[in-house]
Order: sequence, then C-alpha cells, then structure tokens
Amino acid sequence: GNSVTQMEGPVTLSEEAFLTINCTYTATGYPSLFWYVQYPGEGLQLLLKATKADDKGSNKGFEATYRKETTSFHLEKGSVQVSDSAVYFCALSEQNNFNKFYFGSGTKLNVKP
Amino acid sequence: KAGVTQTPRYLIKTRGQQVTLSCSPISGHRSVSWYQQTPGQGLQFLFEYFSETQRNKGNFPGRFSGRQFSNSRSEMNVSTLELGDSALYLCASSLAGTPGHEQYFGPGTRLTVT
Repeated sequence: GNSVTQMEGPVTLSEEAFLTINCTYTATGYPSLFWYVQYPGEGLQLLLKATKADDKGSNKGFEATYRKETTSFHLEKGSVQVSDSAVYFCALSEQNNFNKFYFGSGTKLNVKP
Repeated sequence: KAGVTQTPRYLIKTRGQQVTLSCSPISGHRSVSWYQQTPGQGLQFLFEYFSETQRNKGNFPGRFSGRQFSNSRSEMNVSTLELGDSALYLCASSLAGTPGHEQYFGPGTRLTVT
C-alpha cells in the first residue's frame, strides 16, 4: 500500500542554520508529492508541491525535489528563521486516485534565536 | 475567498455519547476530506466525499460516518464515543479536478472525550 515516512523529530536548529527534513514514500506509479506546514493552533497549509519526477517545488525559501529513483522528497532550506518553527508534514496523492492523500507522521522543527 | 471553516472549534463529550462536526469548504470546492490527528498516530485519513458520495474511506470503525450536502458542506458523526477518539479533527477541501491539486485545511475541531 501507499505510505509516507518522515524523519523523527523534534529537530532543533539555531537561526540561520541549514535545514533538511527527510521524506521517503511508497506508492505505485507517479504520485504527486506535497509538503504541508502546521503552525501552533492552526490547520495545515500547503508549503510546496511537485507532480512529476525531477520537479522541484519551492516556496518561502524552502525547496524539495521529486526523486523517483530514490522515492524521496526531502525538504531543505538554506537559512532557517525562528518563525519557521512548526510541524512539517510530507504527503502524497495517488496517481490514479488523486483525491486520496497519505501523510507522514510530521516533523517538529524548533528554531532557536 | 473565505477559507475552510469548521464548527465547533472545541468540544467536550462524555464516553458513550455521539458527536457531529461540521465543515464548510471553500466556495467551488466539491471534494471534502476528513482526518483525525493525534500525537501518537499523526494524521489519519477518515473519508472523502465528492458530490454527496463517499469516494474514499480510511480504516476506521463504523462508528465514524459522514455525509455531504448538495452545497458541498459536510458533516462527520462519531457515535458511542471512546476515550481514544479524543483528537483534532481536520477537514480539507479541494477542487478535485486534476492530479497535483492541493487540499486546503480548516483549523480543526478539538474533541475531548472524558
């Protein structure tokens, strides 16, 4: 079946540090891949997405590249800010049933000034 | 454009009772999905509705049910509440037209079962 695996958190970084949150997936065909972010007390917001192999999604300094060969979609940011502290979720939607989403368990990021 | 709204935001119920949660999607969105979020299990898919029909279902017992109305608003119902049903219930809507479309989430309903 389909699934998404994320690195365990929490991840604690100092401001301006480099961020990587690993995400790997299991799915048939070519799913669409997403990163969502959840700030305290709020629902999830889309951060970025990629719909085919080798696509790079980017937003607010965050990037992730759809790697079919390694079934990965790692999230990166060159210089994190305190305001980036949140929980990050990797997700996929199936190629043939794109209304069904699978989410990873989430990775909490704490950025210290 | 107004976002996804969920009511109520907070609920406290007693074990054995039933509860109904409501979700109003973004105008024009016909697909509504429900998720249960808990610290231990993360985000788990409950079901998805499109044009008043349940199209997808997760692995939850029959105590969890839902429906969608002709205006795309959706409700989910949990009967015979258990302590383990305490969670944040998130609703998400989407256009559901093409691959790669994203889901837009509401703020959630925090259910506490005592």
